[in-house]
Amino acid sequence: QQKVQQSPESLTVSEGAMASLNCTFSDGTSNNFRWYRQHSAKGLEVLVSIFSDGEKEEGRFTAHLNRANLHVSLHIREPQPSDSAVYLCAVMGSGSWQLIFGSGTQLTVMP
Amino acid sequence: ETAVFQTPNYHVTQVGNEVSFNCKQTLGHDTMYWYKQDSKKLLKIMFSYNNKQLIVNETVPRRFSPQSSDKAHLNLRIKSVEPEDSAVYLCASSPGRNSDYTFGSGTRLLVI
Repeated sequence: QQKVQQSPESLTVSEGAMASLNCTFSDGTSNNFRWYRQHSAKGLEVLVSIFSDGEKEEGRFTAHLNRANLHVSLHIREPQPSDSAVYLCAVMGSGSWQLIFGSGTQLTVMP
Repeated sequence: ETAVFQTPNYHVTQVGNEVSFNCKQTLGHDTMYWYKQDSKKLLKIMFSYNNKQLIVNETVPRRFSPQSSDKAHLNLRIKSVEPEDSAVYLCASSPGRNSDYTFGSGTRLLVI
């Protein structure tokens, strides 16, 4: 059974400083990785989807995938207070129908 | 507007009651899902419904049952709710299994 873990549990950064979030997974055959954002009492918004090793950029959000190290990260450039939310990593294994989520990182961006 | 719509937003009920949550997507997607999000924000898949084929997560208690009239609707019924059912229930849809999901805003259930 795929296990997805995120760190840190919470992160506080100043406006404009880079924010970096980490996610590790247990199934090295996984081929489908996503980062979501969830503002309080709202649904999930997909930020970046990545399917192969390397880097994928979507605006201020960049995902880095290294399947050999079972690691995918999210970097947020020039974060703003409106980026304060819970960030969720999600992984789908090869041949699986399930998107497995990590428990999230609570990001707070201070003005 | 094309999106995933869930009703109700919030529901409070007593232990032992039956509840039903509705989900409709206007995106033309073939696949729909129900996820449960606990108080620690952890999301767990409950059901997936793809072109009339229902895939059930074996860890879901039998009091939970999905109901689908067509590929745009996937409702969730809970018979005889229990306190541990208190959570946010999120509905999502996608064009296919490996495609991006679009989530609804969730239904928050409180069982007292």
